[in-house]
Amino acid sequence: EPEVTQTPSHQVTQMGQEVILRCVPISNHLYFYWYRQILGQKVEFLVSFYNNEISEKSEIFDDQFSVERPDGSNFTLKIRSTKLEDSAMYFCASSDRGSGNEKLFFGSGTQLSVL
Amino acid sequence: AQSVTQLDSHVSVSEGTPVLLRCNYSSSYSPSLFWYVQHPNKGLQLLLKYTSAATLVKGINGFEAEFKKSETSFHLTKPSAHMSDAAEYFCVVSDGRNPGANNLFFGTGTRLTVIP
Repeated sequence: EPEVTQTPSHQVTQMGQEVILRCVPISNHLYFYWYRQILGQKVEFLVSFYNNEISEKSEIFDDQFSVERPDGSNFTLKIRSTKLEDSAMYFCASSDRGSGNEKLFFGSGTQLSVL
Repeated sequence: AQSVTQLDSHVSVSEGTPVLLRCNYSSSYSPSLFWYVQHPNKGLQLLLKYTSAATLVKGINGFEAEFKKSETSFHLTKPSAHMSDAAEYFCVVSDGRNPGANNLFFGTGTRLTVIP
């Protein structure tokens, strides 16, 4: 089965630093998403992206966050100035349609630790 | 409002015995419900989903789940556990009024351990 690939698997950074989390969605997918899971809490939706623009975002996705599809294969999440509370597992996902109840393919996640 | 409660954070079963992972949901509208599994160092993988068709849903790897509206439950079961079933399992509900990846509500997960 095709896979969504995320790199790195673990990222450690200092508070206030910028981080970029990378994802390679499945090649023929058009809809892309980021979720996060703070340790001990539920997986939360951050943002969805389609046709080179954000289609939906949650309250968590403030001005410190941005997403980009810099080329035909990568989908990145940037946190401009990290805070301690940004420490979480970040999951990328993709799907081939956005009609609702679509099948999402998730990556294995990037564990971000902000010190 | 939508929410999901996974009643057990950790379930341990012996190989060959039945598996029951419990999930209760809350939804104002007819929900769609999913079970995802995450094996170590792997992404979340869809096991099965309920979208208002048959209440008993069969998924991959011998898992199934039954939607019980009266009990607001969507428990995941398997008749006989295999060592390869050891993983983290997430119950997920989608807003029936506004379905979509931005309206998925995840449970906190249940870690399944299978004892040889």
